[in-house]
Amino acid sequence: DTGVSQDPRHKITKRGQNVTFRCDPISEHNRLYWYRQTLGQGPEFLTYFQNEAQLEKSRLLSDRFSAERPKGSFSTLEIQRTEQGDSAMYLCASKILSVSEAFFGQGTRLTVV
Amino acid sequence: AQSVTQLDSQVPVFEEAPVELRCNYSSSVSVYLFWYVQYPNQGLQLLLKYLSGSTLVESINGFEAEFNKSQTSFHLRKPSVHISDTAEYFCAVSENTGNQFYFGTGTSLTVIP
Repeated sequence: DTGVSQDPRHKITKRGQNVTFRCDPISEHNRLYWYRQTLGQGPEFLTYFQNEAQLEKSRLLSDRFSAERPKGSFSTLEIQRTEQGDSAMYLCASKILSVSEAFFGQGTRLTVV
Repeated sequence: AQSVTQLDSQVPVFEEAPVELRCNYSSSVSVYLFWYVQYPNQGLQLLLKYLSGSTLVESINGFEAEFNKSQTSFHLRKPSVHISDTAEYFCAVSENTGNQFYFGTGTSLTVIP
């Protein structure tokens, strides 16, 4: 399968714990996006990378959130000191710069208890 | 900045009946428009897109959408729905530089047998 891959698919964590999610984009896709989707809402932009450079961050991305894409391939999204309000589906998407649409992974569903 | 409004949060429709899912957007620049579909616990899949040219675009499974610049709309239609069309549908817009995608809150389409 050459689609966008996200790991894990589900994560349950206790409030205050740190979690890290991984996204493997489609090969040679130089743009990588992270979105957050809460129940009944559309995806909300968090951040995006072009190759290894993080070019934009949403104000939704508090200082507890950090994303990296160290070699311009896979990316990680870390949430420190999780709160119940962090419970959501975290979606990763990738695209080639010259193509209009982004391709989404199946998401990581985070539940903070 | 761009924004997307999907006025209908839920649309129930009987099988084989026609359906229209409404999408309006606001933007001060030229945009690309997309419809994505999301099945339960899955990521988003591109349904169709408008970049330029013909204002009527079609998908392979019978959906179509028409770009109306004067009304800033991109409504999605299907003349005869199937049970398998039951899903969440998201309208999205991006600047034609493609830096970021803005999503509506989604429309839940339920096809009733």
